[in-house]
Amino acid sequence: TAGITQAPTSQILAAGRSMTLRCTQDMRHNAMYWYRQDLGLGLRLIHYSNTAGTTGKGEVPDGYSVSRANTDDFPLTLASAVPSQTSVYFCASSDFLAGGPNEQFFGPGTRLTVL
Amino acid sequence: GQNIDQPTEMTATEGAIVQINCTYQTSGFNGLFWYQQHAGEAPTFLSYNVLDGLEEKGRFSSFLSRSKGYSYLLLKELQMKDSASYLCAVLDSNYQLIWGAGTKLIIKP
Repeated sequence: TAGITQAPTSQILAAGRSMTLRCTQDMRHNAMYWYRQDLGLGLRLIHYSNTAGTTGKGEVPDGYSVSRANTDDFPLTLASAVPSQTSVYFCASSDFLAGGPNEQFFGPGTRLTVL
Repeated sequence: GQNIDQPTEMTATEGAIVQINCTYQTSGFNGLFWYQQHAGEAPTFLSYNVLDGLEEKGRFSSFLSRSKGYSYLLLKELQMKDSASYLCAVLDSNYQLIWGAGTKLIIKP
């Protein structure tokens, strides 16, 4: 199985432009997450979705939006990119159960550079 | 605030044993994870502890003390392929993962 796929693999974007990072999972996990990873910092949660049709804000949501129209897809949109959004973006999913381990599985990442 | 501390970098010799420590202060605790991340790749799951004690899985073991807010990952019989970053993460009261910055482990022949 593919697990989690992300597209594009990398992208250079001009400041002020918009962009959507795509994420698709085939494990039928109910929960999905978007993280950014910057050098010297831990993974930081941008947005999450515990089930299709619902989303929530993470630690660093400003400048980003998400939607969860179905179980498999969880796109992340940058409405007007700024250089501080240069980062590696990881999408993850888990079979979310209250009281359960909730192990997260990660996609390969998207390396985004905003100039 | 929530905080997870782990050393930035460690060096060890092939065939040896290394212990990577992690201390945490979080709002609630629903388990602690260790992930491995090779350079340029995604994190992959190594271990999960929710009760105090040691969990062993092959060459890797993970220990948890909830009263001390402390965990360690023990890697035995180190191999060159173990060169990677090791990420400690705590599942908080909202079932969200709070991540440490990671420990870069360098293995020397």
